[in-house]
Amino acid sequence: DAGVIQSPRHEVTEMGQEVTLRCKPISGHNSLFWYRQTMMRGLELLIYFNNNVPIDDSGMPEDRFSAKMPNASFSTLKIQPSEPRDSAVYFCASRRGQQGQLMRWNNEQFFGPGTRLTVL
Amino acid sequence: KNEVEQSPQNLTAQEGEFITINCSYSVGISALHWLQQHPGGGIVSLFMLSSGKKKHGRLIATINIQEKHSSLHITASHPRDSAVYICAVIGYAGKSTFGDGTTLTVKP
Repeated sequence: DAGVIQSPRHEVTEMGQEVTLRCKPISGHNSLFWYRQTMMRGLELLIYFNNNVPIDDSGMPEDRFSAKMPNASFSTLKIQPSEPRDSAVYFCASRRGQQGQLMRWNNEQFFGPGTRLTVL
Repeated sequence: KNEVEQSPQNLTAQEGEFITINCSYSVGISALHWLQQHPGGGIVSLFMLSSGKKKHGRLIATINIQEKHSSLHITASHPRDSAVYICAVIGYAGKSTFGDGTTLTVKP
């Protein structure tokens, strides 16, 4: 398996432009996560999906951010309009979202290589 | 106070030393995840555990659910172990909360 695939790997854009980040999870994984990493705030969960349905989007900074998962093999994170403070590395991760007998999430997440976004 | 606290924040060791990184959390969890991030930026999963101890090569991870504490140990450390080690707790709904990371530098 190719692992989690993200594109683009690097994106440089100007303030006000729309940015779309893409993620292809590992085949067979039914949970998908979008994270943002900055020096100041570390890794933050933005949103995650189970079976293509958004479960928790409380980490999405504001209305400029939106995420979709139209099918089990593709997700997008869109920023419109982008601002310099959005500059960060955006990671996508996927997991086989299975709860064991004790209702514990037993399976680890696999991270994509990240998209480094710079908004000028 | 963060839900997940890691210590130390930074750690410098000589090659061959035994290393311990600690993670304490304040919420009920389903599991705990140790991650490694190398200077190039990629994030790799090391361990996922919900009880007891796991070992992989020179790495050992332990968790004490009652004390809400986990440790990551590296035996016979090597410069290639230099990385940021991140603790993440997974809540009952499957959501992850991350510690701030421990930056480890192992000198030859």
